[in-house]
Amino acid sequence: LAKTTQPISMDSYEGQEVNITCSHNNIATNDYITWYQQFPSQGPRFIIQGYKTKVTNEVASLFIPADRKSSTLSLPRVSLSDTAVYYCLVGVYSGNTPLVFGKGTRLSVIA
Amino acid sequence: GAVVSQHPSWVICKSGTSVKIECRSLDFQATTMFWYRQFPKQSLMLMATSNEGSKATYEQGVEKDKFLINHASLTLSTLTVTSAHPEDSSFYICSAKSLDRGRNEQFFGPGTRLTVL
Repeated sequence: LAKTTQPISMDSYEGQEVNITCSHNNIATNDYITWYQQFPSQGPRFIIQGYKTKVTNEVASLFIPADRKSSTLSLPRVSLSDTAVYYCLVGVYSGNTPLVFGKGTRLSVIA
Repeated sequence: GAVVSQHPSWVICKSGTSVKIECRSLDFQATTMFWYRQFPKQSLMLMATSNEGSKATYEQGVEKDKFLINHASLTLSTLTVTSAHPEDSSFYICSAKSLDRGRNEQFFGPGTRLTVL
């Protein structure tokens, strides 16, 4: 599984767009990039997954450059309720392959 | 979406006792479930992979005789912490992968907070 590097923490004001970048220099050809969100004392929640270019859903956008060695999770107009830890995971995750979590990015949204 | 439940959501027990935590996939079948442990301010650490009808696969450093895992059906896996001690106090989270989902997504339970006195 590819190793990922994310900022340990980020702060943002409400209403701003937040971009969290994840580095994964040794990503393999078959690897997908997946982001999870975790609130305190809760299990992680799937946010978005992508393989290349751009993916957008109702919650976030995921930007992946052509070399796929990094990815950026973009949260539009964050609110206080977006305060959480965000994890970037890279891998195939087929069959019995478990998700392996890195340290994640602790996002604090300030009023 | 797919729902995974855990029971209990929190438990307090005395040192030396055993505690069983249940993980259920409510609206889908899962041949594989995973158990994680999370200490305060830390990331999730994979403990074991639980396969329906077979023995669990434990990660290095996880004592299989202390953390007993049983995956008796396609919707239920249990984790029993035997002879619990204060250092076993943690947040235990399970996840399950759906058989019929094309996306590489795991669904996580809400977690169980274990406190050993």
